[in-house]
Amino acid sequence: AQTVTQSQPEMSVQEAETVTLSCTYDTSENNYYLFWYKQPPSRQMILVIRQEAYKQQNATENRFSVNFQKAAKSFSLKISDSQLGDTAMYFCAFIGTNAGNMLTFGGGTRLMVKP
Amino acid sequence: ETGVTQSPTHLIKTRGQQVTLRCSSQSGHNTVSWYQQALGQGPQFIFQYYREEENGRGNFPPRFSGLQFPNYSSELNVNALELDDSALYLCASSPGRSHYNEQFFGPGTRLTVL
Repeated sequence: AQTVTQSQPEMSVQEAETVTLSCTYDTSENNYYLFWYKQPPSRQMILVIRQEAYKQQNATENRFSVNFQKAAKSFSLKISDSQLGDTAMYFCAFIGTNAGNMLTFGGGTRLMVKP
Repeated sequence: ETGVTQSPTHLIKTRGQQVTLRCSSQSGHNTVSWYQQALGQGPQFIFQYYREEENGRGNFPPRFSGLQFPNYSSELNVNALELDDSALYLCASSPGRSHYNEQFFGPGTRLTVL
């Protein structure tokens, strides 16, 4: 069974600074996909960024980038130039190609961006 | 383009009752997944429907069941409600079964079991 662990329950960052959220996962599969989802307070969950395990290049979406270390089974999210609107719960998620379409989420990290 | 909608927004039931939650998928999406999110935790996968057939199931008992209709909307039914079923139930739709597809989430239904 796959597991996803987010070791930082809460983090805070000053506006305009950079913050990194950690995620580790455990799987015996070789081909899989990783995601970071954002859940703002009282708003719908949205996809921030995704990574295919067979791609060595780290994914980047504007201010959001990942550091994917396949051997270490680590998938951290870096948010640059943090904005007040980045305040949210962030969930790391995993899906394996043999997982029966089951998207497995971590427990989440609550990020607070301070003005 | 209409996003994923869910009804009702909130629901209060008593232990032993049955509940039906509804989800309308985003236009053009034929795949719907359901998740249970307990307070302070990450979502847990319940099951997925693709073109009206169950296409994967998480570690939930059979009293959690679902349906998908020809218009790709979906229902989640929970029988014999237990206190631990209190949670936010999220529906997500996607344009196909590919593992790489982004899932588009609805706002959720907050279920409280007393």
